[in-house]
Amino acid sequence: QKEVEQNSGPLSVPEGAIASLNCTYSDRGSQSFFWYRQYSGKSPELIMFIYSNGDKEDGRFTAQLNKASQYVSLLIRDSQPSDSATYLCAVTGGYQKVTFGTGTKLQVIP
Amino acid sequence: EAQVTQNPRYLITVTGKKLTVTCSQNMNHEYMSWYRQDPGLGLRQIYYSMNVEVTDKGDVPEGYKVSRKEKRNFPLILESPSPNQTSLYFCASSLSDTSYSYEQYFGPGTRLTVT
Repeated sequence: QKEVEQNSGPLSVPEGAIASLNCTYSDRGSQSFFWYRQYSGKSPELIMFIYSNGDKEDGRFTAQLNKASQYVSLLIRDSQPSDSATYLCAVTGGYQKVTFGTGTKLQVIP
Repeated sequence: EAQVTQNPRYLITVTGKKLTVTCSQNMNHEYMSWYRQDPGLGLRQIYYSMNVEVTDKGDVPEGYKVSRKEKRNFPLILESPSPNQTSLYFCASSLSDTSYSYEQYFGPGTRLTVT
């Protein structure tokens, strides 16, 4: 079983819709959770991080964390074609190790 | 400009020929890390360093070496490269260890091909 799991997609949503990206993790000791965006051929860049149960909002982005269910999600409101990219979920626990999921490819259709 | 630089950006080499990929950051970050990215496998951590002279293995350290003699530099060494090390490599740094909220800044990547 993979430590951090994401649906590889592609997830296709129309422009202006809400895109919902999901991530599950296996290590209950995980402490911090990150969402990175990676455009094709580019390096990852941080979108959001969250470490407390609940929701965290930043502009059009909302990260949701449920530690009991070992589940973290990213909602993108008013999706734009420029949001089309691969979204990587990353989880850290003790010992400063970072584990990434394989990423979900998002396509926003104009 | 705050950045993480990697060199070279592209490298084609032959099996067994030692190589070094350099990584440097100008943000005075303590934490640095190397990843490889392969289709279907995502980003996997090779080695990380929490500070000068402090390094530790990630998930896929076999066949790689690192050193951290200066805070700004974290080179990745392949003593005897093999074709299964053909991959896209990223160096990253952050202000502190990533068990807190500090984001990782990634370099532009090095595409390595071993024939």
